[in-house]
Amino acid sequence: DQQVKQNSPSLSVQEGRISILNCDYTNSMFDYFLWYKKYPAEGPTFLISISSIKDKNEDGRFTVFLNKSAKHLSLHIVPSQPGDSAVYFCAASQETSGSRLTFGEGTQLTVNP
Amino acid sequence: EAQVTQNPRYLITVTGKKLTVTCSQNMNHEYMSWYRQDPGLGLRQIYYSMNVEVTDKGDVPEGYKVSRKEKRNFPLILESPSPNQTSLYFCASSSKRLIRGTEAFFGQGTRLTVV
Repeated sequence: DQQVKQNSPSLSVQEGRISILNCDYTNSMFDYFLWYKKYPAEGPTFLISISSIKDKNEDGRFTVFLNKSAKHLSLHIVPSQPGDSAVYFCAASQETSGSRLTFGEGTQLTVNP
Repeated sequence: EAQVTQNPRYLITVTGKKLTVTCSQNMNHEYMSWYRQDPGLGLRQIYYSMNVEVTDKGDVPEGYKVSRKEKRNFPLILESPSPNQTSLYFCASSSKRLIRGTEAFFGQGTRLTVV
C-alpha cells in the first residue's frame, strides 16, 4: 500500500527553466510534507517542508505547493541549475505517529546545461 | 559537526552469515530509524526507535533486528542474510517529534550485497 507516490521516475529540463516535481498521497492524516534531495553515494538531505495547514512554502529557488483537497503536492525549482540534478524524494509524516516518515519512490531530475 | 555515521559503507557477504551495520549520531536525537532503498520503491522504513530501549517495526521488518541500548547508537542486525536483502541502507535520526517539518538527518548509506 503505497501511501506516497511519485509517478514520474525521471524529469529532464533545461538550465534556467522551471522544474516541477509532483507527489500524490492517500493518507489524509498526514500533517507535514517534506522534500529530500539525494546525490549519488550520499544520504538524502532535507530540502523544504510544508505543514498541512499551509498551501505554499518558499525558500529561495524552491517552492512547495500543497493541494489538500487533491492530496497532491509539488516542488517547483526556479531557475533550475545543473547542480540540482539529483533524485528528489517526497515524504510525509503524521505528528501522532512520532517522527515516522513515509517516502515516495523518488524522481530523478536532470538539468541540462 | 552534526552527523549520522554508518559503517561499513560497502559490504559483500554470503547467505546466512550474520552481520551488523552500525549507526551512530551526535545530535542527541531521540528518534532513529533504518530505511532500505530499492529501485522503483523509494525508501522504505525497516525499524525505528523513539528512545533508548524503545523500538518498533516499520514497513519491511522481516529478516532484520535492531537494538537501542544507548541514545547515540542504533545498529541493524541481519541474523541470516538472504539475497533479497541486497539493497542500499540508510540510517536516520531526528528530534522526537517532527515539528513544523523538522528534518531527519541521514547517514551516507551502506551498500549491502548478499550472494
